[in-house]
Amino acid sequence: KAGVTQTPRYLIKTRGQQVTLSCSPISGHRSVSWYQQTPGQGLQFLFEYFSETQRNKGNFPGRFSGRQFSNSRSEMNVSTLELGDSALYLCASSSGAGQMNTEAFFGQGTRLTVV
Amino acid sequence: KNQVEQSPQSLIILEGKNCTLQCNYTVSPFSNLRWYKQDTGRGPVSLTIMTFSENTKSNGRYTATLDADTKQSSLHITASQLSDSASYICVVADYNYGQNFVFGPGTRLSVLP
Repeated sequence: KAGVTQTPRYLIKTRGQQVTLSCSPISGHRSVSWYQQTPGQGLQFLFEYFSETQRNKGNFPGRFSGRQFSNSRSEMNVSTLELGDSALYLCASSSGAGQMNTEAFFGQGTRLTVV
Repeated sequence: KNQVEQSPQSLIILEGKNCTLQCNYTVSPFSNLRWYKQDTGRGPVSLTIMTFSENTKSNGRYTATLDADTKQSSLHITASQLSDSASYICVVADYNYGQNFVFGPGTRLSVLP
């Protein structure tokens, strides 16, 4: 069974640009959540999608957005990039059918560097 | 404010020794508590998930405990191996619909030969 796949693995962008990251969940999983990991702030929850609907949202500005497609694949978009957006972006998938204790499986992450 | 604190920040032990990592949280309402292992540059891997009614859960050489009354958890690693060198992250899920996690800062464990 293939794991969670994130593309690309590494990305370098310039301030002011926008970027789109992709996450393919484990087959059959309908929940995809996104996280930002930085040395200073640690892991922080961005948002979660379930069946193409945003189910939860963390405390990030509107420059961070996402969507989920009918095949459960998800994309995250960051517009008007700032230097502080440099981070490891992780996505996790779970069956997420409403149960609180379902296992979340993380991808390897996309390392975004803003210069 | 929902917070998760971990101690120590970092730990160095010799191969074969045991160690215990601590986690305190103020997340409320509480749904479950998870311990993840994260190798450098890789995504976290789940070790245990515990609900408020569970006191202990084991996964091989890893044993997690939970005291929901005092809002404390610990992760005990037995007979450490070099491959245990990683960051261990305590994660608490609030009783919200979905996967809204609050992450601890992690404990960086180094196991030396």
